[in-house]
Amino acid sequence: DQQVKQNSPSLSVQEGRISILNCDYTNSMFDYFLWYKKYPAEGPTFLISISSIKDKNEDGRFTVFLNKSAKHLSLHIVPSQPGDSAVYFCAASAQVSNLGNEKLTFGTGTRLTIIP
Amino acid sequence: DGGITQSPKYLFRKEGQNVTLSCEQNLNHDAMYWYRQDPGQGLRLIYYSQIVNDFQKGDIAEGYSVSREKKESFPLTVTSAQKNPTAFYLCASSIGVLPGELFFGEGSRLTVL
Repeated sequence: DQQVKQNSPSLSVQEGRISILNCDYTNSMFDYFLWYKKYPAEGPTFLISISSIKDKNEDGRFTVFLNKSAKHLSLHIVPSQPGDSAVYFCAASAQVSNLGNEKLTFGTGTRLTIIP
Repeated sequence: DGGITQSPKYLFRKEGQNVTLSCEQNLNHDAMYWYRQDPGQGLRLIYYSQIVNDFQKGDIAEGYSVSREKKESFPLTVTSAQKNPTAFYLCASSIGVLPGELFFGEGSRLTVL
């Protein structure tokens, strides 16, 4: 049962335009969401996160939006640059103990290609 | 440089053999994790450990074993019981209290011949 879903396996965007990557989740206990970026043959690197008490978080060219009622989040990259070409993973976690959020559940990833 | 070191980067194994993947971190993180990546499947959690001498099964622990004898080290053994071991394995660590910001190693690609 895929609790975090990224329904678009790939996305191509012209350089300078906005890239929008989408993610849906089913577990209402998730309260923290993250985006990771991954280049081939490397480990993912953390990009941006958002807590369920917010509906938007911005960091430079990257903005994450959270719609709790729709169980949907999206990552906006503007303007898109060639170095943004990578696989983007959405991830979610739920606080399950006083030790904090113990583990992440990842989506299947979206391969973003920025066309020069 | 602080970080996570996985070795080997590439590994070939014959069917029926156990193999151990190494993961070492010098970030002083309490929590460590092993994930597996397969095409079209995202990252799936195998095992995780929040403190030394303690670890929990993740979503796909069957056929794998781990140990956490030192804070810095979290080796993963892929046993012969794992039916589809060919995959890209990722080790990660986190402070363990803050939600979810994992630091990943560069991965180990295991191929079973």
